Formats: sequence, structure tokens, C-alpha cells
Amino acid sequence: SYELTQPLSVSVALGQTARITCGGNNIGSKNVHWYQQKPGQAPVLVIYRDSNRPSGIPERFSGSNSGNTATLTISRAQAGDEADYYCQVWDSSTAEVFGGGTKLTVL
Amino acid sequence: QVQLQESGPGLVKPSETLSLTCAVSGYSISSGYYWGWIRQPPGKGLEWIGSIYHSGSTYYNPSLKSRVTISVDTSKNQFSLKLSSVTAADTAVYYCARHATTVTTGWFDPWGQGTLVTVSS
Repeated sequence: SYELTQPLSVSVALGQTARITCGGNNIGSKNVHWYQQKPGQAPVLVIYRDSNRPSGIPERFSGSNSGNTATLTISRAQAGDEADYYCQVWDSSTAEVFGGGTKLTVL
Repeated sequence: QVQLQESGPGLVKPSETLSLTCAVSGYSISSGYYWGWIRQPPGKGLEWIGSIYHSGSTYYNPSLKSRVTISVDTSKNQFSLKLSSVTAADTAVYYCARHATTVTTGWFDPWGQGTLVTVSS
């Protein structure tokens, strides 16, 4: 089965750039999607197909994907960006797969 | 604006069947897209359960496939989840979501607010 690996936690200073990684075997050959989940709320799609932002998602959110690592980048981090972030891909053996999630703390 | 709302019992006994329904508003299920179920045990990550097309075509998480049935009722614009032989490990917040798919990928947007289902006697 296909597995996605995310760091448990990432910290970023207010106004700086946060980078959250998602590792997987040759993940660069797949499309990666990212979700933001704030406490007590449902997940919200922030990036789809590696680097596309749904309407309403700030330009501060961007994504990239190459080799064995996909990255969600949050520029000019704000207190409101504190949340859990999950990556997700489709794989032929396991269909839809989520990473374990990363807790982003804005200091 | 598409909205999804889960409903169903919040408490299910071990070995029984969990049943949930997701009502969709602002979009006709018959117009397209897959529609999916995802769950999240308390304090843990997300797990995809399965998805269904308006035609009734389904695909499931292999790890849950033997216990899962997802169905659709286009007349009521809703779809449903049944998970049989539940145990405490099935305690989770259950979300429904619209599942956009292409030939090689799929993503979930938007999501319902989620409903907590506890498995306990």
C-alpha cells in the first residue's frame, strides 16, 4: 500500500514562511492535494493538483511536487493559519490516501 | 453554493451496523461528481472510506471494503453509508464530501461539518 509521511509538527514565526512536506515513493508522479483543518472544524481544501488554489484561498498558499516530496508553502504566516494540514493522493493500490497530518504553530 | 450535511445515530452498539446519510444542497448529485465518506478517529488523522457516483458506481478503501456499503438516492439528492460489524475502533467523526475526480486523481471539496459516531454498549 502507498504511504504518505508528514512531520508531526512545524513551527513558524509570525510573518515568515512555513513549509510543510509530504513524502512518498515517487510522489512527483502523482497529483497531491492539501487540506487545512482548524480545531473542531471540517477540513478545507487549500491546494489541489499540486499547485492549484480553490477560489477563496489566499495567494499566500502555494504547493509544489517533485521527486519523493511534495511541499505546501504558506507565505507571510498569520495566526489564523494555525491548523492541522493533511496531504492526499490517489494511488492505484489503495485509492485515496491521506498523510498523517502536520500541526502548524505560528509563534 | 454546495453544502453537505451528515445525519444519523451518534451511538452504535458493537457488532451492529453504523448508518449515516449525507444530504446535498445547492447541487444536483445527478449532475456529476463522485461523493465520498471520510472519517477521523478522535485526535487522529483522516481515513477515506469510499465514494459513489450518481450512477451507483462505487469504490472503497480496501481495508474497509468487506464491511462498507455506500448507496445513492438521486430523488432525495443524498447518499448513505453503512458500516457493518462495528467495534470501538470505528468511533470517529464521519464526514461526507464532494469528490472531484479525473482519470488519475481525486480530491474532496467541499466537506460536510461532520458527525461524531461512538461505538459503545
